[in-house]
Amino acid sequence: QVTLKESGPALVKPTQTLTLTCTFSGFSLSTSGMRVTWIRQPPGKALEWLARIDWDDDKFYSTSLKTRLTISKDTSKNQVVLTMTNVDPVDTATYYCARTQYGYNSLDPWGQGTLVTVSS
Amino acid sequence: EIVLTQSPGTLSLSPGERATLSCRASQSVSSSYLAWYQQKPGQAPRLLIYGASSRATGIPDRFSGSGSGTDFTLTISRLEPEDFAVYYCQQYSSSPEYTFGQGTKLEIK
Repeated sequence: QVTLKESGPALVKPTQTLTLTCTFSGFSLSTSGMRVTWIRQPPGKALEWLARIDWDDDKFYSTSLKTRLTISKDTSKNQVVLTMTNVDPVDTATYYCARTQYGYNSLDPWGQGTLVTVSS
Repeated sequence: EIVLTQSPGTLSLSPGERATLSCRASQSVSSSYLAWYQQKPGQAPRLLIYGASSRATGIPDRFSGSGSGTDFTLTISRLEPEDFAVYYCQQYSSSPEYTFGQGTKLEIK
């Protein structure tokens, strides 16, 4: 059974750096074809793709956020980490990670999400 | 960037009725890269359909997807009470870039 779970601070101050961790089980990111994606959802709004990391350590970022994002993996810990610099109140959202299906690039399954509020 | 526009924004139907949800892309999308998700309040999205028409594991056969090019449809043949939720379409392009539609809320009439 594949599961993912996000963790990180619930509250971050503007201009700080946000670090989120996705801890997963049921698959290995060292296996060919495996990918993990981060997505966020502001309260009451739609989903927004943030970044993806592949088994071969290829990394991809949303064009609009790429200067602020860094994605990395720790295969031994089954974790993917996303950092976002210089956060702003508009970054308030639930952040999700999801395994990404090789070939079809659909997202399945998703973690439960973690709500991050950016406020002073 | 490919923009996905979903319609209607809200769909009010009764259990037992048929639901038809639309997703229109601003440019042609490969059918392989079009997916649909269901999201209930307080929950993460759940994959329903991938590759435009393939049901994900465990998804009932009352859910079906169709379409190609710029027009895609999610159909729920006979609504069950648990189907009332928000539905999102998602596409992947080779940049790579993933985009989502703004969602259709399916509510009980």
